[in-house]
Amino acid sequence: GENVEQHPSTLSVQEGDSAVIKCTYSDSASNYFPWYKQELGKRPQLIIDIRSNVGEKKDQRIAVTLNKTAKHFSLHITETQPEDSAVYFCAASFGTGFQKLVFGTGTRLLVSP
Amino acid sequence: DVKVTQSSRYLVKRTGEKVFLECVQDMDHENMFWYRQDPGLGLRLIYFSYDVKMKEKGDIPEGYSVSREKKERFSLILESASTNQTSMYLCASSMMEQFFGPGTRLTVL
Repeated sequence: GENVEQHPSTLSVQEGDSAVIKCTYSDSASNYFPWYKQELGKRPQLIIDIRSNVGEKKDQRIAVTLNKTAKHFSLHITETQPEDSAVYFCAASFGTGFQKLVFGTGTRLLVSP
Repeated sequence: DVKVTQSSRYLVKRTGEKVFLECVQDMDHENMFWYRQDPGLGLRLIYFSYDVKMKEKGDIPEGYSVSREKKERFSLILESASTNQTSMYLCASSMMEQFFGPGTRLTVL
């Protein structure tokens, strides 16, 4: 079935360290992989996304990598800052024609000063 | 600026009541979604709609129905609220990127 697994569920790092969150998906036809950040009490917001024709995408301190063969993708945050503390969700598209997103269960990232 | 709004931030209802949650978007998006968010379970899709009067079941539709009479408005209906429907409900709309509303925290007593 349609499934996205996300690990770890919680991640604690020191300010300045790197953080990596990993997701796997079940459908080899998935072709769109967004990452959302949800700060406490706020709505999820898109921070970066990648399509299946690209292996890596970077935006300042954030990067996403995609391995289609292994059906996994990862979020990398470098030089973490306390304001990076939030819950991060990965998602993968499923379906042909109209595509819906299936979300991972989330990773709570805590960046300590 | 992108805007998705939801009718209530907090709602308290009693078991058996009929509950309406409303979502409005001003981006002329075709697609709209209702999710529920529970700790440790992420965002789970209840229903979605890709056009006016069109609706599709998501992964957890039981106990819910939806209505999309106008393009900008997508309503989630709990026909007879139960305590296991206590949750955070998030609406989203999209062309491709999904934009979320602020959420409605529903408590069913």
